[in-house]
Amino acid sequence: AQSVTQLDSQVPVFEEAPVELRCNYSSSVSVYLFWYVQYPNQGLQLLLKYLSGSTLVKGINGFEAEFNKSQTSFHLRKPSVHISDTAEYFCAVTPYNTDKLIFGTGTRLQVFP
Amino acid sequence: DAGITQSPRHKVTETGTPVTLRCHQTENHRYMYWYRQDPGHGLRLIHYSYGVKDTDKGEVSDGYSVSRSKTEDFLLTLESATSSQTSVYFCAISEEGNSPYEQYFGPGTRLTVT
Repeated sequence: AQSVTQLDSQVPVFEEAPVELRCNYSSSVSVYLFWYVQYPNQGLQLLLKYLSGSTLVKGINGFEAEFNKSQTSFHLRKPSVHISDTAEYFCAVTPYNTDKLIFGTGTRLQVFP
Repeated sequence: DAGITQSPRHKVTETGTPVTLRCHQTENHRYMYWYRQDPGHGLRLIHYSYGVKDTDKGEVSDGYSVSRSKTEDFLLTLESATSSQTSVYFCAISEEGNSPYEQYFGPGTRLTVT
């Protein structure tokens, strides 16, 4: 079975500060990894994904994430956040050869002026 | 944006009444999914479909049924709504071949069962 852990339920940060949202996963098989963003009262939008290759992946809106296989982590980072980045962020995995998305519980990023 | 609509967007209903939520897509994608989103749980899969009349249960399927008579429509039915089914429901679609089955989400339906 697979599971995804997002230890931080809320992350408050000031505008233009850097931010890291943590994601760890557990799986007995190889997985693909995703970060989704949900803006208030909207559906989920894919931010970035790791399929293979370079462990550093870049996504939309200046976000990036690094896959660390030994630590089974896929932390999301942004060097300088904006007010508009205020949203909920979900880490998710899909085991190889399946189509099932398994989500973490989400991290609410609150950016203050 | 993927062409996914959900209706209704908001609904308040009473315990014990039947409720049907609709997901409609214009992408002709084969795979469709229903999730519920609850605080502290993230999104959990209720049911999914791999094609017309081909559906299966997800992680939290008790109390829910689905139907897919056309590629573009995936219906979620609560036969007798309970307060524990108060949630935000999301539909998603994906296409076989778009490895690894990247999913696109609809705008959601907020359901309140009183």
